[in-house]
Amino acid sequence: DIEMTQSPSSLSASVGDRVTITCRASQTIFSYLNWYQQRPGKAPRLLISVASNLEADIPSRFSGSGYGTDFTLSISSLQPEDSATYYCQQSYISSPLTFGGGTKVEI
Amino acid sequence: QVTLKESGPVLVKPTETLTLTCTVSGFPLAKSTVGVTWIRQPPGKALEWLAHIFSDDEKSFTTSLKSSVDISQDTSKSQVVLTMTNVDPVDTGTYFCARIFGKFDYRRLDYWGQGILVTVSS
Repeated sequence: DIEMTQSPSSLSASVGDRVTITCRASQTIFSYLNWYQQRPGKAPRLLISVASNLEADIPSRFSGSGYGTDFTLSISSLQPEDSATYYCQQSYISSPLTFGGGTKVEI
Repeated sequence: QVTLKESGPVLVKPTETLTLTCTVSGFPLAKSTVGVTWIRQPPGKALEWLAHIFSDDEKSFTTSLKSSVDISQDTSKSQVVLTMTNVDPVDTGTYFCARIFGKFDYRRLDYWGQGILVTVSS
């Protein structure tokens, strides 16, 4: 199984700050990396697919980068509604399809 | 408009069988490039993939639950059913179904149901 490791597990930042979350795969996954946002009590929402493709209706302050084993999710100017837990997920091997442990972002 | 909705019991006793239904709309389950997956989330913990199914009946299951989980679909009813036998209190959590888009290239979960909280307790 491919293990996904996120860091940090939580962070606190202020409105307007730039925030970066990292995700590392235990083996190369090329660009098979997706990012999700989960607000409290809600279902996850797809933010970024194929490592860097921003999904429709996702604000442009979100961006993704990386290839191989190391990936990052950045929020350029943190907003109050970005308070959530963020998960990376690999789809290079879809069985099992694995998620990172999550990064909780507090404003 | 694509939607998914989970339904089933919210309380199940240990050793019983849990059956959850995901009813989809806005896309046909028979479409070759999409599938449906079940993901669960224990309270306060991370997301855990359980199983998926595609229109050609390709199925896959998480290794840790392979002997106790099954997934099936009824394309005429637009439903995907997850069955979990011999449940335990550790199976308590929110269960989500989600659409898998991009079967033949970069798979991603682009639409999710709202989730259903299932508690396993006597």
